Amino acid sequence: RKEVEQDPGPFNVPEGATVAFNCTYSNSASQSFFWYRQDCRKEPKLLMSVYSSGNEDGRFTAQLNRASQYISLLIRDSKLSDSATYLCAVTLGGRATGRRALTFGSGTRLQVQP
Amino acid sequence: ETGVTQSPTHLIKTRGQQVTLRCSSQSGHNTVSWYQQALGQGPQFIFQYYREEENGRGNFPPRFSGLQFPNYSSELNVNALELDDSALYLCASSTNFQGTYEQYFGPGTRLTVT
Repeated sequence: RKEVEQDPGPFNVPEGATVAFNCTYSNSASQSFFWYRQDCRKEPKLLMSVYSSGNEDGRFTAQLNRASQYISLLIRDSKLSDSATYLCAVTLGGRATGRRALTFGSGTRLQVQP
Repeated sequence: ETGVTQSPTHLIKTRGQQVTLRCSSQSGHNTVSWYQQALGQGPQFIFQYYREEENGRGNFPPRFSGLQFPNYSSELNVNALELDDSALYLCASSTNFQGTYEQYFGPGTRLTVT
């Protein structure tokens, strides 16, 4: 079983739609969680950190469910420019050696259509 | 832009050769991590450097080695290149901010081994 799993998609949605992605992680000791956006042949860009209480940034909302070991990303009012691959990442957190390495899922591809 | 820079942007090498990739971290960031991203996959953690010392290593063989310099810039060296080493190599810089270690990626070096 992979440490971090995502549905590869693609998710094809019309402009203005709401779309949600889930990401499951296997290590219950994971402490920090992130969503990254990656455009084709570009580097991952940090979209948002995911906090226990959930957090929102404009049209984007991230949630963490520790009991079921998954994080989610909700995108409202999808724009054409949201088309990208969305990567979730987790770390064990803390200062000890090796605990800050990011473990990524394989990404979920989103295609927003006009 | 994250302020993380990498060089070169593209590189073509022959199997068995050696390669050095370079990364300059974002100003104020003391930690650099290196990742390998194969096509269609999420980035895989290679190793991390904190204050010039290796601070964690992923499942990569010893022919992958690195350095961090006093100005926090870093190098990734790969010896005895194999065809499977063809990938996008990403470095990410981070620092402790309120207990989290958000990592910001550079544009990457695309390595092709023939």
